[in-house]
Amino acid sequence: GAGVSQSPSNKVTEKGKDVELRCDPISGHTALYWYRQSLGQGLEFLIYFQGNSAPDKSGLPSDRFSAERTGGSVSTLTIQRTQQEDSAVYLCASSLDRGSYNEQFFGPGTRLTVL
Amino acid sequence: AQSVTQLDSQVPVFEEAPVELRCNYSSSVSVYLFWYVQYPNQGLQLLLKYLSGSTLVESINGFEAEFNKSQTSFHLRKPSVHISDTAEYFCAVSEPGGSQGNLIFGKGTKLSVKP
Repeated sequence: GAGVSQSPSNKVTEKGKDVELRCDPISGHTALYWYRQSLGQGLEFLIYFQGNSAPDKSGLPSDRFSAERTGGSVSTLTIQRTQQEDSAVYLCASSLDRGSYNEQFFGPGTRLTVL
Repeated sequence: AQSVTQLDSQVPVFEEAPVELRCNYSSSVSVYLFWYVQYPNQGLQLLLKYLSGSTLVESINGFEAEFNKSQTSFHLRKPSVHISDTAEYFCAVSEPGGSQGNLIFGKGTKLSVKP
């Protein structure tokens, strides 16, 4: 079956511009996560969605970052007024539900470069 | 708060040699433990996980990891590596019963297998 897909695969933008990153989770997965993978920093948790519940935004680094999930499926991560330090690979993952024992399936990521 | 330490950022080895990738975690509660692998130009994939029961867990491609509660470690081992094992390996923890289920990752270890 289809895995987690993300688009675009690469995004180059200028400092100060807004960007939107999209994630399509595996069908039937109710939990969705966004992570950021920065060079030398490993993977950093950003935000978590579970079904129709309010998202847990505790990992978002600043108020320039926001995310939504429409219809309990597709999610969009928006970064406003991008800065050079936002350059990273943004990964989306989904799992069957929020149980921490559940395997998270990762998408290929979106590589964001802010010039 | 939970944290994960991968002591080696890079591990070069020759083909057919044994390898150990080290992972230590800190947590005030019991944890679930995971190893994810990221092959070149691919997304993260689950390699193996420890949830409960036997402290030694194995993957289908010959890797194994042992949960050591007293040493708070979950080192990954393989007795004989192949060129195809070249990848970046991430150790991660999550909290059983946690409200989110998000993973806390180490910074990764790049395994480079040379002929």
